[in-house]
Amino acid sequence: GAVVSQHPSWVICKSGTSVKIECRSLDFQATTMFWYRQFPKQSLMLMATSNEGSKATYEQGVEKDKFLINHASLTLSTLTVTSAHPEDSSFYICSARGSTGNQPQHFGDGTRLSIL
Amino acid sequence: AQSVTQLGSHVSVSEGALVLLRCNYSSSVPPYLFWYVQYPNQGLQLLLKYTTGATLVKGINGFEAEFKKSETSFHLTKPSAHMSDAAEYFCAVSDANQAGTALIFGKGTTLSVSS
Repeated sequence: GAVVSQHPSWVICKSGTSVKIECRSLDFQATTMFWYRQFPKQSLMLMATSNEGSKATYEQGVEKDKFLINHASLTLSTLTVTSAHPEDSSFYICSARGSTGNQPQHFGDGTRLSIL
Repeated sequence: AQSVTQLGSHVSVSEGALVLLRCNYSSSVPPYLFWYVQYPNQGLQLLLKYTTGATLVKGINGFEAEFKKSETSFHLTKPSAHMSDAAEYFCAVSDANQAGTALIFGKGTTLSVSS
């Protein structure tokens, strides 16, 4: 089946640093990738939608300059949390889908980000 | 706008008992409906989906769900719970008319299974 790899799975870093999270579709071409954020014991909240080769579409309330998304190829999207602060600590999950009509989204295993 | 309501943030059943997780959706357009399962510190795994056609959908691990348009529901069931079914379950909806749109998730239901 379709596989999405997300890396790293867990990262701890100091406040003020930038962190890059990668999302790769391993066996299919992902024309669209989504980035979600999940707080403990809560649901997934969509942060942004990215289509290969174009700028990401951010949801209301998500800071574009804070969460930089790049989708430069059909198999890779990255989320960079810039100048991270403790309130950015969360579980970030990406998903990817192919180009045909009713393809489901395939999720990565998530990245737990802890900012000290 | 679309939305999903999962009734019951926590459901507890005994091993071997029926599992019923409720999901109601709101959508002004034909929906695609999904159930995902999430184990601790992991991503989401697709259990099953409804797009078109048969309204009773069978998924992995013995789960199934029935799309009832008149009730705007997509409840998830399993005849006999297993200890390994303990996890967080999310119902989600997307717009069938717009391929590539994001999923809108419910708040999730934690399933506990006791022996």
